[in-house]
Amino acid sequence: GEDVEQSLFLSVREGDSSVINCTYTDSSSTYLYWYKQEPGAGLQLLTYIFSNMDMKQDQRLTVLLNKKDKHLSLRIADTQTGDSAIYFCAETVDSSASKIIFGSGTRLSIRP
Amino acid sequence: DGGITQSPKYLFRKEGQNVTLSCEQNLNHDAMYWYRQDPGQGLRLIYYSQIVNDFQKGDIAEGYSVSREKKESFPLTVTSAQKNPTAFYLCASSTRATGVNEKLFFGSGTQLSVL
Repeated sequence: GEDVEQSLFLSVREGDSSVINCTYTDSSSTYLYWYKQEPGAGLQLLTYIFSNMDMKQDQRLTVLLNKKDKHLSLRIADTQTGDSAIYFCAETVDSSASKIIFGSGTRLSIRP
Repeated sequence: DGGITQSPKYLFRKEGQNVTLSCEQNLNHDAMYWYRQDPGQGLRLIYYSQIVNDFQKGDIAEGYSVSREKKESFPLTVTSAQKNPTAFYLCASSTRATGVNEKLFFGSGTQLSVL
């Protein structure tokens, strides 16, 4: 079945770039997402990429998609303390939200 | 402001008790969802509803029940049959449009603990 995998923790220094990685198994994935969850809160959609794209940039966020390797990454430039959160990778094989599969989340911590 | 409201923020359940988690949205979204989040795990879908008076089981529906009598409301009942209910519960909603990416909007969650 479908599976989405992420490493559980990432620690970066304030001002450096953070790169959060994700692998997925379903080659028919159409949309891939990055969600952010701050402590005690719900998830907030950060960005998403359609499967026919290689890259998407939005201010400090850059999403890279390697369909051949089924690898998705989120790069956060100039990481700030407000970026501390859990980041979830997710994918869906069609446009229906009921089919979205979430990874286990990567906890990003920022050190001074 | 439009959004999704979950209540209560914290809830405690005694053995053998049913408890109900509230979820209300004023985004005019057709679809609503309940997810369960356990530490170090991804979100797992409990139930979802794509239209009023209709709902479907997700991946882990056993021990839970829902109703969708109004478009704005999708309450989740955690029954006594759910033997391991301690978790963070998230409600979400989305628009429904065929072939269009249906983005999820989330509430702020309810932490359920067993006494």
